[in-house]
Amino acid sequence: EAGVTQSPTHLIKTRGQQATLRCSPISGHTSVYWYQQALGLGLQFLLWYDEGEERNRGNFPPRFSGRQFPNYSSELNVNALELEDSALYLCASSLNLGLAGAPYEQYFGPGTRLTVT
Amino acid sequence: SQQGEEDPQALSIQEGENATMNCSYKTSINNLQWYRQNSGRGLVHLILIRSNEREKHSGRLRVTLDTSKKSSSLLITASRAADTASYFCATYSGTYKYIFGTGTRLKVLA
Repeated sequence: EAGVTQSPTHLIKTRGQQATLRCSPISGHTSVYWYQQALGLGLQFLLWYDEGEERNRGNFPPRFSGRQFPNYSSELNVNALELEDSALYLCASSLNLGLAGAPYEQYFGPGTRLTVT
Repeated sequence: SQQGEEDPQALSIQEGENATMNCSYKTSINNLQWYRQNSGRGLVHLILIRSNEREKHSGRLRVTLDTSKKSSSLLITASRAADTASYFCATYSGTYKYIFGTGTRLKVLA
């Protein structure tokens, strides 16, 4: 079974540009999550999509946005890039909420390393 | 600040020893999960413990959960060099949001 895939592996942009990151979940998974991990730090929750709907977003400015497509793949867009956006962006997928609304474990992709110069 | 705070931030042990890391959190949770991350790549799920469970085992891993103290611990027994990684706890509180801790960097010396 193929795991979560992300593209590109590396992305180099200059300040002010836009970046688009892509994620394909494991087959059968309808929930997709995005996280930002700055160098040496923990994961900061960005977005949670399920069945095409945005369920929640973390404490990030509106220039971070995304969407989930009918095939459950997802795209993260970062507009007006700033130097501090340089980080590893991780996508994860899972089955949707289980019994009692408690989610299943997440399966992570290898990440996209975004460098803003 | 992060809901989950791991302790210690870094841990260095000899191969064969046990490694214990702790996670504290602030609010009530539905479940708590532990993940491993090698060299800044994707995370690998290790174990999920629900709020009504107190202890779970998986191979050399043992996780405990104390909801009264809002804390969890991960024990890795008979550690190996391949266990060298960062370990994160993640809590889910029913708000469509996972909160990850800051991680414990474990180094196992051969």
